Amino acid sequence: GAVVSQHPSRVICKSGTSVKIECRSLDFQATTMFWYRQFPKQSLMLMATSNEGSKATYEQGVEKDKFLINHASLTLSTLTVTSAHPEDSSFYICSASPGSGRLNSPLHFGNGTRLTVT
Amino acid sequence: SQQGEEDPQALSIQEGENATMNCSYKTSINNLQWYRQNSGRGLVHLILIRSNEREKHSGRLRVTLDTSKKSSSLLITASRAADTASYFCATLSSFQGAQKLVFGQGTRLTINP
Repeated sequence: GAVVSQHPSRVICKSGTSVKIECRSLDFQATTMFWYRQFPKQSLMLMATSNEGSKATYEQGVEKDKFLINHASLTLSTLTVTSAHPEDSSFYICSASPGSGRLNSPLHFGNGTRLTVT
Repeated sequence: SQQGEEDPQALSIQEGENATMNCSYKTSINNLQWYRQNSGRGLVHLILIRSNEREKHSGRLRVTLDTSKKSSSLLITASRAADTASYFCATLSSFQGAQKLVFGQGTRLTINP
C-alpha cells in the first residue's frame, strides 16, 4: 500500500517552455504533499509543501511564480516549471504521507522526474 | 535548509561486511527516519525511530539514536551487493504548526562483490 506515482519520469524541453509534473497518491488521500529537488550526488532540497485546497508553502529562496504548485484534490498535486531555463535541469521528487499531514509516519516517494532543459 | 550531516559521504566495503553510517542533526526532533535511494529513483523508507527510543531493529538494519549528542547511526549487517545505494537520514521538524522532513547529505554506499 501507500503508493505514490509521479509522471513523467523523464522530460526534455526547450528553454522558455513550461513543464508540468504530476504526483498522485494511488491508494490513500494526502492533504499534504512535498516537492523536493535533487542535484546529482546531492541531498534532497525541500522546495515547497503542497496543501490540498490552499496555497503551497514555499521554502526560502524558491520562486513561487516559477514553480507553480496546484493541489486540487486529495490525490493529486502538480508542479509546473514555468519558462524553464537550463539551470532548472534537475531531478524533482514528490512525496506524501497518509497521515493527514502529520509526519509521524513515513513519507512515500514518487520515482522522480528527470528534467532536462535545452 | 538541510540540518542533517552524514558521515561518511561515501563508503565502499566488501560483500558480507557490516556498513555503518552516521547522521548528526542540530535541532530538537520528533523522530528521525532513514531512507534509501537507488540511483535515479525515488526514496524508500527504511526505518523510523522516535525521539524517546534509543535503538531499533529491522531485519539486517539497526538504528540507534542519541538525542543528547543529536546523532543517529544506521548499521547494515552482512551487506549484499544489492545494498548499494545512497542512504539518507531525515529529521522531522515542526515550526509554527507546519511539519517538514529535512534530509541529510547522504552516504553513498558501494558493496563490492
